[in-house]
Amino acid sequence: QSVLTQPPSASGTPGQRVTISCSGSSSNIGSNTVNWYQQLPGTAPKLLIYSNNQRPSGVPDRFSGSKSGTSASLAISGLQSEDEADYYCAAWDDSLNGQGVFGGGTKLTVL
Amino acid sequence: QVQLVQSGAEVKKPGSSVKVSCKASGGTFSSYAISWVRQAPGQGLEWMGRIIPILGIANYAQKFQGRVTITADKSTSTAYMELSSLRSEDTAVYYCAREGGGCSGGSCYPGPLEYYMDVWGKGTTVTVSS
Repeated sequence: QSVLTQPPSASGTPGQRVTISCSGSSSNIGSNTVNWYQQLPGTAPKLLIYSNNQRPSGVPDRFSGSKSGTSASLAISGLQSEDEADYYCAAWDDSLNGQGVFGGGTKLTVL
Repeated sequence: QVQLVQSGAEVKKPGSSVKVSCKASGGTFSSYAISWVRQAPGQGLEWMGRIIPILGIANYAQKFQGRVTITADKSTSTAYMELSSLRSEDTAVYYCAREGGGCSGGSCYPGPLEYYMDVWGKGTTVTVSS
């Protein structure tokens, strides 16, 4: 059972806009920033969004993040076939002496 | 360009220990904390713990307390994760990752100012089987 809650799956057609939600609590998302990772099959996770809504260099502006209260979301606009991957949200949690926490992951399928 | 190079795959017997290394190249090792994350087959990401090399301080996820030890050798820019009392459920890919928020002068202790992992190793597969 993951500390952060994500839907297990999402889907969209090429060109569409999809959003993935991430729900937490006051000790994690409510008091710390959220980041998002993209994981393609058989590869290490890749940082997609950090500090709630910042994109690392090289990440297309089709990807955007937002946060409100104890929830966050990742939006992907202009969906492309290469966006088919697993997406994870993460944050620092101030409980239990502090630890990193992840969502369970969302499998995005491009139809 | 910072890279994290991890040690090779391991096959271990139940009850034994495994030690995975993570060598940083191309950057300032001591200016960042290193987190360890694992992923069991077909499962999600799981945070195990972190080390702040400049302070030599580690903290661990409660789930792994007493079974995991994370260390760092500043002289070789290498972090290590040792997991003991292995069981079949520990079969997973183990990743090290650099915390991108930085840790200048130990500023990321006791917790990071900004928690995100911007550079990842390729992962080390650990298989626990009798």
